[in-house]
Amino acid sequence: DSGVTQTPKHLITATGQRVTLRCSPRSGDLSVYWYQQSLDQGLQFLIQYYNGEERAKGNILERFSAQQFPDLHSELNLSSLELGDSALYFCASSVRDRTSGYTDTQYFGPGTRLTVL
Amino acid sequence: GEDVEQSLFLSVREGDSSVINCTYTDSSSTYLYWYKQEPGAGLQLLTYIFSNMDMKQDQRLTVLLNKKDKHLSLRIADTQTGDSAIYFCAEIPGGYNKLIFGAGTRLAVHP
Repeated sequence: DSGVTQTPKHLITATGQRVTLRCSPRSGDLSVYWYQQSLDQGLQFLIQYYNGEERAKGNILERFSAQQFPDLHSELNLSSLELGDSALYFCASSVRDRTSGYTDTQYFGPGTRLTVL
Repeated sequence: GEDVEQSLFLSVREGDSSVINCTYTDSSSTYLYWYKQEPGAGLQLLTYIFSNMDMKQDQRLTVLLNKKDKHLSLRIADTQTGDSAIYFCAEIPGGYNKLIFGAGTRLAVHP
């Protein structure tokens, strides 16, 4: 158990809908990262937050957004869902991050499996 | 560019050693990582190596780093059926916070 929790474990929804994925980082970790794992794209970085502020953006669609709250948990919002959004979404956390001058190891949660029908 | 490459499949006999190879592109990567993903599960950090090291050993796991060739390998000694999983090599390129993953090597262990 990495100490990173994600809810829900599974989510099944229809095209056009909106969902919210939740992540709680390890105790003491300030940085939260979101990754998407799909069969065709592999593991891709989406976005990172550090102590409530967006720090880095990757291959995240405009239909997707995220935020990190004062208690450091994070939510990833996916809207206008398409079939191709079906994937495993991982959250990871680390104490700090590289642009803070450190290279902290990222610990991953169990993931949320999203199925869009 | 950012790219991490791994062979996609490896089959070994139980009790043998497994060697999973990886090449990366960013010479400024400070740490290189190995993650393990079992079926239906999340990503488990196995080990990592700092770029100024050539080798790191952790119980049955040995990581070798050839910085000149940008080549990383993971050796699993006495491979067991419980080691069957997908193994991902990853780097954090210089100036970035994100992990860049390889496609993963599926390790199959047979009796």
